[in-house]
Amino acid sequence: DVVMTQSPLSLPVALGQPASISCRSSQSLVLSDGMTYLSWFQQKPGHSPGRLIYEVSNRDPGVPDRFSGSGSGTDFTLKINRVEAEDVGVYYCMQGSHWPHTFGQGTKLEIK
Amino acid sequence: EVQLVESGGGLVQPGGSLRLSCAASGFTFTHYYMGWVRQAPGKGLEWVANIHQDGTYIYYVDSVKGRFSISRDNAKNSLDLQMNSLRAEDTAMYYCVRNGGQSDYWGQGALVTVSS
Repeated sequence: DVVMTQSPLSLPVALGQPASISCRSSQSLVLSDGMTYLSWFQQKPGHSPGRLIYEVSNRDPGVPDRFSGSGSGTDFTLKINRVEAEDVGVYYCMQGSHWPHTFGQGTKLEIK
Repeated sequence: EVQLVESGGGLVQPGGSLRLSCAASGFTFTHYYMGWVRQAPGKGLEWVANIHQDGTYIYYVDSVKGRFSISRDNAKNSLDLQMNSLRAEDTAMYYCVRNGGQSDYWGQGALVTVSS
């Protein structure tokens, strides 16, 4: 199985400051057709996860542009330009290139 | 509006069975892989099973192989997960998810508790 390793697991950030989460996969997520199925999800307490980013860097409709995704191969990053109070929650990366699809351990973002 | 509504969760004894259902609406069901993701209390996310649009390809995570069975009824826009020989470690919120490796829409979840 592809192991997804996120860091940090805890991320205290002051309001208005940037935040960055790293996600590394144990093998390349690039498929033979050139596609890379790496997504980022946000989960708020008591709610289902919601997708923020798909295919490494594409923002879902309605996701604020302070969220951005980047990376390639086995190394990926989610960045938040200026953290707002509503961004508190747990963030997960997920690879959908190989079965079983697998998630990172989750990064808990809190306001400092 | 895409909606995924799970039902069938509950309390079951170890070794027992439970069947989860997911009612889908707001999109063309036959266009998408569908699957189930679970989350144990206070823990992370784990893919459980995935099924191709016409049911020809089915995938399970190793920990549920031989015990769980995923199926879909394209005429009724519904997805099921039959869970047999349940164990304490199967206790989790089970989410119905659209589009497999892209996971673009999630249901609100159905809680399954395996305990005596």
